[in-house]
Amino acid sequence: DAGVTQSPTHLIKTRGQQVTLRCSPKSGHDTVSWYQQALGQGPQFIFQYYEEEERQRGNFPDRFSGHQFPNYSSELNVNALLLGDSALYLCASSDRSGPPPYGYTFGSGTRLTVV
Amino acid sequence: EDQVTQSPEALRLQEGESSSLNCSYTVSGLRGLFWYRQDPGKGPEFLFTLYSAGEEKEKERLKATLTKKESFLHITAPKPEDSATYLCAAGYNFNKFYFGSGTKLNVKP
Repeated sequence: DAGVTQSPTHLIKTRGQQVTLRCSPKSGHDTVSWYQQALGQGPQFIFQYYEEEERQRGNFPDRFSGHQFPNYSSELNVNALLLGDSALYLCASSDRSGPPPYGYTFGSGTRLTVV
Repeated sequence: EDQVTQSPEALRLQEGESSSLNCSYTVSGLRGLFWYRQDPGKGPEFLFTLYSAGEEKEKERLKATLTKKESFLHITAPKPEDSATYLCAAGYNFNKFYFGSGTKLNVKP
């Protein structure tokens, strides 16, 4: 049973560029959440997608945007990259068929380095 | 702002030396408290969910407990393979969780 898959695993971008990260949720999961994890810190919530709509958003600027496709996969886009955007970006999927709160299954992340 | 605080930040143990990690949360309306293990360069791996004060869950050498204000992850007779960062997350609805910064555990043989 495939878990959450993210691509690419590593990425180096130049300040000011744009980046797209991709996530395929675990089979049977319909909700995708994105987190940013700086070195030595816990994950910080960016946003969550369910039924192809952004349902909730953390304290991140509009430079961070996303999309969910009919097959539940998701993309995270970051525009006008800053050096401070360098982090591990984690995708987490969950299933709303049981009682909340719904635990996450995390992917291994995309390590983004902005130079 | 709601916070989840974990202590200590780092913990070094000898193999077999039991200890506990702490996770305290200041927000109200907790609906679930989650523990994850994270190895370097990897995503967090789910360990436990606790829903109400007094609840306990065990898995091998790990036991998680929950009170009204904090949660503990007890590690009994740890082995080097238990070395990792342990994260707790407080869930207040099914949409969003607040994570602590983690406790980095190093178990020496």
